[in-house]
Amino acid sequence: DSGVTQTPKHLITATGQRVTLRCSPRSGDLSVYWYQQSLDQGLQFLIHYYNGEERAKGNILERFSAQQFPDLHSELNLSSLELGDSALYFCASSVDSPTYNEQFFGPGTRLTVL
Amino acid sequence: QQQVKQSPQSLIVQKGGISIINCAYENTAFDYFPWYQQFPGKGPALLIAIRPDVSEKKEGRFTISFNKSAKQFSLHIMDSQPGDSATYFCAADNYGQNFVFGPGTRLSVLP
Repeated sequence: DSGVTQTPKHLITATGQRVTLRCSPRSGDLSVYWYQQSLDQGLQFLIHYYNGEERAKGNILERFSAQQFPDLHSELNLSSLELGDSALYFCASSVDSPTYNEQFFGPGTRLTVL
Repeated sequence: QQQVKQSPQSLIVQKGGISIINCAYENTAFDYFPWYQQFPGKGPALLIAIRPDVSEKKEGRFTISFNKSAKQFSLHIMDSQPGDSATYFCAADNYGQNFVFGPGTRLSVLP
């Protein structure tokens, strides 16, 4: 158990809908990262938040947005969903110190868009 | 320049054999090179990591070899076991500013 929690575990929805994925980082970790992993694909970096501020953006679609709240939990919002958005979505957290960079991954949310 | 290349895409090894996965990077600012292991349906988990001031790091059956001049690093799994069958991702980081994953290698260890 990495200490990172993600809810829900599974999500099934229809095209055009909007969903919110939630992530709670490990206690003490200020950074949250979001990744998308499609079937048999690698980890596509979406976005990184550090202590409530957006730090880096990867290949995140305009239909997707994220935020990190004062209690450090983060939410990833996916809107106008398309079939191709079906994937595993992982969040990871880290202490984000210059000398210690390990990312701890949550169990993921499996999104199925029908 | 931010990309990390990884090979092979898939690897089949007999039980007891050595599994070798290679990665290459371009950005000389990277200062941290971890390997993650992912089992189906699970999140990736850190396996072993190295910083560029050492050329090799060993933890049990897992060894990272690092060649700074060639900008390459590799993971060696000695005495590979069926339980090692998973997808392995190399990664590189720049002082916590820019975490980049390789595309992954699917390892199958045959009993």
